[in-house]
Amino acid sequence: GENVEQHPSTLSVQEGDSAVIKCTYSDSASNYFPWYKQELGKRPQLIIDIRSNVGEKKDQRIAVTLNKTAKHFSLHITETQPEDSAVYFCAASTGLDDYKLSFGAGTTVTVRA
Amino acid sequence: DSGVTQTPKHLITATGQRVTLRCSPRSGDLSVYWYQQSLDQGLQFLIQYYNGEERAKGNILERFSAQQFPDLHSELNLSSLELGDSALYFCASSPGGLAGAAPTYEQYFGPGTRLTVT
Repeated sequence: GENVEQHPSTLSVQEGDSAVIKCTYSDSASNYFPWYKQELGKRPQLIIDIRSNVGEKKDQRIAVTLNKTAKHFSLHITETQPEDSAVYFCAASTGLDDYKLSFGAGTTVTVRA
Repeated sequence: DSGVTQTPKHLITATGQRVTLRCSPRSGDLSVYWYQQSLDQGLQFLIQYYNGEERAKGNILERFSAQQFPDLHSELNLSSLELGDSALYFCASSPGGLAGAAPTYEQYFGPGTRLTVT
């Protein structure tokens, strides 16, 4: 099955700086890569996703890049703010016969004021 | 609010007992997914239902079972509970999930049920 690795496990950044989280996946058939943000005790929230037919997608301060050849994708958060502090999960799905998500282990992001 | 509802919010029970968790998907969504989130295991996919039928299985224990009803709500049944079953259980829904149909990948999570087994 799909194996998703996520790095780093923790990330501390100064407010206003950028944060980058990287994920690699094992199944070359994977074609959908969402990112979820989870605040303490709350549900994972979809913040951005990318499909395999594009290399980059941006939504305001967040962007995701995908390198299918290297089988890795990354989340970039610019101009970080205290409310960006949360756990971020990457995931991958093949979407061949089902759309189950295989998640990375998560990155705890702390934005220092 | 994602539109996905889950009940109960919290559940405390003893080892050996059986519980049922309930999930109502977003209006119009046909697929329901169940995930388990524990501190040391992250988010683990358990099972998916599409329009009443089981579509995919993950690392779901034999003590666990699920079903999706004609009104599309789903229930996850956990039996012979052990201390290690204590976790957050999330369901998520998406519009599609059927191979060959127009891909509708996005999954939206419910608020979760926190299960504590004592």
